[in-house]
Amino acid sequence: GEDVEQSLFLSVREGDSSVINCTYTDSSSTYLYWYKQEPGAGLQLLTYIFSNMDMKQDQRLTVLLNKKDKHLSLRIADTQTGDSAIYFCAESRRKGSDQGGKLIFGQGTELSVKP
Amino acid sequence: NAGVTQTPKFQVLKTGQSMTLQCAQDMNHNSMYWYRQDPGMGLRLIYYSASEGTTDKGEVPNGYNVSRLNKREFSLRLESAAPSQTSVYFCASSSTGGAGENEKLFFGSGTQLSVL
Repeated sequence: GEDVEQSLFLSVREGDSSVINCTYTDSSSTYLYWYKQEPGAGLQLLTYIFSNMDMKQDQRLTVLLNKKDKHLSLRIADTQTGDSAIYFCAESRRKGSDQGGKLIFGQGTELSVKP
Repeated sequence: NAGVTQTPKFQVLKTGQSMTLQCAQDMNHNSMYWYRQDPGMGLRLIYYSASEGTTDKGEVPNGYNVSRLNKREFSLRLESAAPSQTSVYFCASSSTGGAGENEKLFFGSGTQLSVL
């Protein structure tokens, strides 16, 4: 995951907004993803954005994409204690004849929500 | 609907021992993957199988082998375990062909492996 960078920790108070940031390097990436990992579990897809979009909103989640700066962010409005988890951004890679969906993940940001 | 099932959930090995991690998916997905997760390093791809009968190396394949036994099953083998292979291992699967949806990965719950 060295090509996709995230800060490791974020702490917010319940009810505040959380913003998790990510930078990526491959300008040919067609899709960028946010995955959520709860303790002791595998990753689950939270949302994704196509590279020709600037923004995508899904209930409390807003994804912003700045393709020029290769910067992706995930905003969680009205953060709840149940949002405490590790959040991974990932970019898709297609190289050569690879037809499988190969994702490169960031290091993950651990979000801690304090009551 | 079980999704992606991994076994075992926990394993402790001594250096030099071998073991196979099993993974099965019931979603009729074409592609399957093995990742390892280490603190501060995110997920790194070990091997993947884009379709039944094919396997390819990912970022960190050394010390591992894989077998795509059939469309459902994709196993990861450690022939001679080393302490550096202490990690949490995740299997994942995805279908191919959809616009964007083909890269939606479904993950198993992970195998925590310790090599002493």
